[in-house]
Amino acid sequence: NAGVMQNPRHLVRRRGQEARLRCSPMKGHSHVYWYRQLPEEGLKFMVYLQKENIIDESGMPKERFSAEFPKEGPSILRIQQVVRGDSAAYFCASSPGDTGGQETQYFGPGTRLLVL
Amino acid sequence: SQQGEEDPQALSIQEGENATMNCSYKTSINNLQWYRQNSGRGLVHLILIRSNEREKHSGRLRVTLDTSKKSSSLLITASRAADTASYFCATDSTGGFKTIFGAGTRLFVKA
Repeated sequence: NAGVMQNPRHLVRRRGQEARLRCSPMKGHSHVYWYRQLPEEGLKFMVYLQKENIIDESGMPKERFSAEFPKEGPSILRIQQVVRGDSAAYFCASSPGDTGGQETQYFGPGTRLLVL
Repeated sequence: SQQGEEDPQALSIQEGENATMNCSYKTSINNLQWYRQNSGRGLVHLILIRSNEREKHSGRLRVTLDTSKKSSSLLITASRAADTASYFCATDSTGGFKTIFGAGTRLFVKA
């Protein structure tokens, strides 16, 4: 039973390009969370999704950032027109979703985004 | 200041000693969780304690929760070099979906 998978593990983009980060939740999990982590800091919540629905995106910047979790396929975190300040590690987590979202989250290995 | 603040920020101990990390939070919670993160890796869930629980054990880990003080502690007994990592507490909030992480305690266990 594979854990949460994220790809790519490392991503380098130039300013102004788009970054697409993918997350495949654990088998049987229907809830996905995205977090951003700057060096030496904790994780900052960005967005919480269920299949085809965004439940809470209060931690995600209103511009340039978007997230989706389609019925089929992985969850995607998309950053348009990246800037240097977007450089960070982005972690995805999933949970079964059978207790209303307040449950243990299982984390992926993260995608480290570097914007040149 | 943010929900879920750990202290100390960094802790260095000898192998075999106990390590205690504390976490304070501000709003009412349903549960509090502790995670470990090895350098450059994702987070590994260690233990979840619900708001109606006061203490929980898992192997060498002991977690306490004091909702009146809005604080929790993580005790690692008989530490090993392999316990070297960052430890984060994470809280939800009653009625919300967001999980909020603190900045973490960096534990270094010397062999």
